[in-house]
Amino acid sequence: GQQVMQIPQYQHVQEGEDFTTYCNSSTTLSNIQWYKQRPGGHPVFLIQLVKSGEVKKQKRLTFQFGEAKKNSSLHITATQTTDVGTYFCAGWTSNDYKLSFGAGTTVTVRA
Amino acid sequence: KAGVTQTPRYLIKTRGQQVTLSCSPISGHRSVSWYQQTPGQGLQFLFEYFSETQRNKGNFPGRFSGRQFSNSRSEMNVSTLELGDSALYLCASSFNEGLAGFSEQFFGPGTRLTVL
Repeated sequence: GQQVMQIPQYQHVQEGEDFTTYCNSSTTLSNIQWYKQRPGGHPVFLIQLVKSGEVKKQKRLTFQFGEAKKNSSLHITATQTTDVGTYFCAGWTSNDYKLSFGAGTTVTVRA
Repeated sequence: KAGVTQTPRYLIKTRGQQVTLSCSPISGHRSVSWYQQTPGQGLQFLFEYFSETQRNKGNFPGRFSGRQFSNSRSEMNVSTLELGDSALYLCASSFNEGLAGFSEQFFGPGTRLTVL
């Protein structure tokens, strides 16, 4: 089964609003990566976090890696229609060294 | 640079048959990973090849196999197809020598496999 859980599964957002998607693991992660997949497209790498408590920003996107390296979040401010898609987190579980993907959060935007 | 290419883009097979999918990584990338994406299971890691050697493997049965050639191009094979093998198969390449998942991966458009 999936070792990396992602919530929520779906996020319906009004254009201009903020939202957050969360990624949680029962085991410590060596790193966390975030990808975005547009409808009908393929995953595109957004960012990688490695250090405990790390925070990185890309324009309106803020990525955070938890202090215990078991969770991560992606926060998007002032959502735009271009943010539509599914956001995946992926991390290496340090116990079995397998790359595990979250199920993704599918974002739709109401104009 | 050209992106990751996968052929064929679409494939229809029947149960019991076997299939071979091909992936050409970005020029200079030596790591190639394969993933299965389904609505129910999401993205699941199949295996990773680096310099013609499989260096990591996911939890899939032995019916799923792969190989990598000296030019870094990779193929994956699925034998004795089952209905549950219907999925989008994605290939990803990366430049760094580190294990896939520790460096940026560039995904191809995928091969949509339908098993009837």
